[in-house]
Parts: sequence; C-alpha cells; structure tokens
Amino acid sequence: DVKVTQSSRYLVKRTGEKVFLECVQDMDHENMFWYRQDPGLGLRLIYFSYDVKMKEKGDIPEGYSVSREKKERFSLILESASTNQTSMYLCASTKRRGLNTEAFFGQGTRLTVV
Amino acid sequence: QKEVEQNSGPLSVPEGAIASLNCTYSDRGSQSFFWYRQYSGKSPELIMSIYSNGDKEDGRFTAQLNKASQYVSLLIRDSQPSDSATYLCAVRDSNYQLIWGAGTKLIIKP
Repeated sequence: DVKVTQSSRYLVKRTGEKVFLECVQDMDHENMFWYRQDPGLGLRLIYFSYDVKMKEKGDIPEGYSVSREKKERFSLILESASTNQTSMYLCASTKRRGLNTEAFFGQGTRLTVV
Repeated sequence: QKEVEQNSGPLSVPEGAIASLNCTYSDRGSQSFFWYRQYSGKSPELIMSIYSNGDKEDGRFTAQLNKASQYVSLLIRDSQPSDSATYLCAVRDSNYQLIWGAGTKLIIKP
C-alpha cells in the first residue's frame, strides 16, 4: 500500500512563527505536491516538485516555500505564519509525470495560526 | 485559467436511490479524469478513474465521460448512508497538471 505520511495531524502556531510541515512517501514517487483546502474553495496548489531539489510554484505560493532534499520527503515552510494561513494542508504524491497516474494523499495537517 | 466546475450541493438523495454527480472542465485537451471521495476531516481517496469516452463500472459506482461535451459524471447506485461525503472531480490537463473541482457534498438520507 502506498503511504503518504504528514508529520502532524493538528498544529497550533502563533503569528510570526516559522512553521515546518513535513511529508514523507514510501513508494518511490517522483512527484510531490502541497495543497491547502478551505471550505468552498476546494484544493489549491501551493507548490509541487517533480524531482529532488526541484520545485515549482503552484497557484498560491505567496508566504510559503518548500524543500525537497530527498526523493521521499517534501517539506512546506511558512516563513512567518499569519492568521490567513489557518487551513487544512494536504500533501500528495504521484508515481511519474504521466496521464494515468492517480494522486495519493497524506492524512492532512489542520493548522491554526493564532 | 483552466477550470473544473462542480455543483457544491449539498445533494440530498434517499437511501437506496441513485446519486448523480456532475463535473465539467474547460481544457479540451484533458485526457484523464478522476473521482475522489473525501469524508469530513479526512483526506481525499480515489474511487474511480476514466480515460476514454463512455461508461466505466466498478461495483455500485459508474463513471461516465463525454469528451465532446467536456463533462464527466459519477453515478452511485443503491446509495448508502456511508456514501455521504464530498466528492471531488479531478482532471489531468494537457500539461499533465491535476486540476481540481471544489467538490459536491452528498448526503444520503436513511
């Protein structure tokens, strides 16, 4: 079974803190993604990566950065957390850059910034 | 801007009836289509994928694709209360990007 694991299920952080969200997948997937999900807005892509040390901006990268030092690990960094970054964060991975590859999701991290 | 549109619902269906969920997409070059189910507070999980025009059946679920009209639908037969969830439509576009709909909330009434 493919497993995508996010480091925390729930997080509460203070405004201005630097926040690290970690994601690890164990199926040797090349592609990894970070989304945030808010009610009524669906999944919005923050950053993605098709290879180690490679990253590309998604639709809403402002206020975020990412790191992919190893193939299995993709980290999302909130440089200075703000209350409007309170959200559910979902990490996903896919096998390769192809048409018929499904996305596998981690369990999600519900982040609250106070 | 490539888009995937879904009715947000909620769609309320009696137990045992057929639930019909619809999704339209804007990129005519899209090739792969996915339906995910997401229970409240949980992450999305894949239930169906479809790549060619027509119907694809898997148990109580049937995905239907019409590329000419740019829509994809999901039918759930003999709906059960456990089918109550938000259903997300995802489309892989001509640039291999996954574009997501905002989801339709389905409620199955006992």
